[in-house]
Amino acid sequence: EPEVTQTPSHQVTQMGQEVILRCVPISNHLYFYWYRQILGQKVEFLVSFYNNEISEKSEIFDDQFSVERPDGSNFTLKIRSTKLEDSAMYFCASMTGATNTGELFFGEGSRLTVL
Amino acid sequence: KQEVTQIPAALSVPEGENLVLNCSFTDSAIYNLQWFRQDPGKGLTSLLLIQSSQREQTSGRLNASLDKSSGRSTLYIAASQPGDSATYLCAVPTDSWGKLQFGAGTQVVVTP
Repeated sequence: EPEVTQTPSHQVTQMGQEVILRCVPISNHLYFYWYRQILGQKVEFLVSFYNNEISEKSEIFDDQFSVERPDGSNFTLKIRSTKLEDSAMYFCASMTGATNTGELFFGEGSRLTVL
Repeated sequence: KQEVTQIPAALSVPEGENLVLNCSFTDSAIYNLQWFRQDPGKGLTSLLLIQSSQREQTSGRLNASLDKSSGRSTLYIAASQPGDSATYLCAVPTDSWGKLQFGAGTQVVVTP
């Protein structure tokens, strides 16, 4: 069964370092998303991406964050200068757009620990 | 602003009992509602998606109902098994598809 895959599964970084989280969405999907979940808190929306541009972003998604679809398969989230409060599980998700169900499929997540 | 609440926050049942998980939302103008399962430290597995025009949706032992007018959805899991132990999350789109507002989840433990 097609699935969303994310790498790395866990990354530890020093505060101020740049981090890139990678995702391979389901191949025929057109809409891509990043969400995050800080430990013990709700899953929260970060950004949506369609047709090679950001469709919508939350207040969390400030200038330190960027997303890119550098080729036909990968979808990346970059955090330029990490802060302690960026420590969280980051989830990539995709949606087909071919049907009107609106169902999202999520990856296993990338756990980011900022020291 | 859409708020999603899940009650109870935690639930422990003996194996074989039926599970009833509740989700409520404040804005009834939703496109759909999606239920997810999350195992500890893992990703979100989609269980059921129920469209706004539907009253219920079934998959195996799982059944989700939706009452838009009262802002509620209920997930029923029949004949629970220890493998059902997980956190169950509900989510609704806000002002656009794919921009989901999640509840905090119900943590379920099924004891053998």
